[in-house]
Amino acid sequence: GNSVTQMEGPVTLSEEAFLTINCTYTATGYPSLFWYVQYPGEGLQLLLKATKADDKGSNKGFEATYRKETTSFHLEKGSVQVSDSAVYFCALLRFKAAGNKLTFGGGTRVLVKP
Amino acid sequence: SAVISQKPSRDICQRGTSLTIQCQVDSQVTMMFWYRQQPGQSLTLIATANQGSEATYESGFVIDKFPISRPNLTFSTLTVSNMSPEDSSIYLCSVEDYGGQIYNEQFFGPGTRLTVL
Repeated sequence: GNSVTQMEGPVTLSEEAFLTINCTYTATGYPSLFWYVQYPGEGLQLLLKATKADDKGSNKGFEATYRKETTSFHLEKGSVQVSDSAVYFCALLRFKAAGNKLTFGGGTRVLVKP
Repeated sequence: SAVISQKPSRDICQRGTSLTIQCQVDSQVTMMFWYRQQPGQSLTLIATANQGSEATYESGFVIDKFPISRPNLTFSTLTVSNMSPEDSSIYLCSVEDYGGQIYNEQFFGPGTRLTVL
């Protein structure tokens, strides 16, 4: 079956540090890949996405590249801010006739200190 | 993208009671989904709700415990029945927005935080 594995947190960083959150997946075919972010006390927001191999998704300074050869979709940001403190979820979407299904990784909590 | 609201935003309930959560979307969507996020955990899909048909439940979830309604293309409800403390979670609805793209993506409501005593 489909699965997503991401690095466990919490990840604690200082402001302006470089952030990487590793994400690897197992799936048949060609899933779409997503990063969602959940800020404290809020619901999930779509951060970025990629739909095919070598696509790079980017938003708010975050980037992730769909690497089919390594089945990975690592999230990176060059200089984090305190406001980036949140839980980040990697997810894949498989198309199904009965309804497309999102499979989530376990989430990585990121804490950015001033 | 769709704007999604949920009611209630949070509730504290007694064990053995039931709670119905509402999900309203500002545009018509075909697919709606209900997820559960247990404390400190990731999201797990409960069921897929298409308008005009019975909801499709994932393994480990049953209709008697989580009945779902989907009366039209902008609204759905999830009921958590005969609650126990283990049902304490955030329940989120999501919708699928084709948006004219060649792929699909899901957008999430703000969630309903349920605590069962």
